[in-house]
Order: sequence, then structure tokens, then C-alpha cells
Amino acid sequence: AQTVTQSQPEMSVQEAETVTLSCTYDTSESDYYLFWYKQPPSRQMILVIRQEAYKQQNATENRFSVNFQKAAKSFSLKISDSQLGDAAMYFCALTQGGSEKLVFGKGMKLTVNP
Amino acid sequence: DVKVTQSSRYLVKRTGEKVFLECVQDMDHENMFWYRQDPGLGLRLIYFSYDVKMKEKGDIPEGYSVSREKKERFSLILESASTNQTSMYLCASSPRDRVTYEQYFGPGTRLTVT
Repeated sequence: AQTVTQSQPEMSVQEAETVTLSCTYDTSESDYYLFWYKQPPSRQMILVIRQEAYKQQNATENRFSVNFQKAAKSFSLKISDSQLGDAAMYFCALTQGGSEKLVFGKGMKLTVNP
Repeated sequence: DVKVTQSSRYLVKRTGEKVFLECVQDMDHENMFWYRQDPGLGLRLIYFSYDVKMKEKGDIPEGYSVSREKKERFSLILESASTNQTSMYLCASSPRDRVTYEQYFGPGTRLTVT
């Protein structure tokens, strides 16, 4: 069975600084997708970034980038130049093999201090 | 933009009541999902539907049922609400293209059972 582990329940960062959120996963599939979702307080969950396992290049989206280490089954999210609007719950997710379902981690609360 | 709406943001029900949570998406997605979100537990899949009238149990289906009579609408039913079903309920949808696997989320319904 696929599992996703986010070991840090909370983190904080100063505005304009860089923070890295960690995620490890386990799957027996060779083809899978990894995601980071963001859930701002009282707002809808939105996709931050997606990584296809077959791609060696790490995905980037503006200030957000990932460090995808396939052999280590690690998928961390780096947020550069943190902004107050980055404060949210962040969830790491993994596709379940042969299915369109996702397995989510327990989430991590990011606080951005002004 | 994909839009997923849920019938209520906040709902208070009494123990034993039958509760209906409604979800509507406007992007003609084949897949729809119901999750439960609890602090420290992340998102857990209750039910998944991949087509009209088709459903598949998720990780925690006990005490819940679903209905999908139309493609755009997916209902979650609590047959006899209990206090341990007090939670945030999230609906999501995705296309069955096996390309992006991205799920689009509704704003959530915070259900309190007293």
C-alpha cells in the first residue's frame, strides 16, 4: 500500500526567507505522480506543484520548487521569498497505483512571520 | 476555471439525524471524491465515484453512503449521524484522463453533530 509521511506537523518562517517542507513516501509502483497541495485558512485546497516520477527534472512553479529524490523516496517543497499569503496547511500527496485516487500525508501547518 | 461547490460551509445536526452533503462540479469531470479532514489525520477518502451510478469505497466508508445520479453531482449521506462524524468534509473532482491526476477541491463543509 502507498503511504505518505510528513514528519513535521508545524513550521515557521520569516517573511522573505526560504523554507523547505519535507515529505517521504512509499510505493511499489514505477509510474506515479506526487503533489503538494496548499489549504489557506478557511479557503479552498489548491494544487501548488506536481511531479511526474518518470521526469528527472525537478518541477518548479515561480517561488515553489521541489527536490525529488526518487531512490530515497523523498519529495520536499521549497518556498523561496516567503510571503504572508503562503501561510497555510500543506499536504503532500501520491497517486495510488493504477488508480486516480490520491493518498495524502497528515499535513503541515506553515506560519509566516512578518 | 474549475469550480467545485458544496451545499453548506457550516452545518449543525443532531445525533441520529440523516444528513445530506451535496457537491457539484462544473467541469464535466468523471471522477468525484469525498474526503474527511481531521487535525493530525490529514485527508482520508470516504468514497470515490468514477462515473454516474458508480462508486467505490475508500478508506473509511463505515457510517456513510453516497449517491451519484448525475455526472456533476455527488452526494454524501450520513444515515444516522453520530458525534464521531463531527469533521470537515471535502469534495473533489478530477478528469479521467490519466494525464494530470490533479484533483480540484470544494470549499469544504464543517459538520458538527451534537
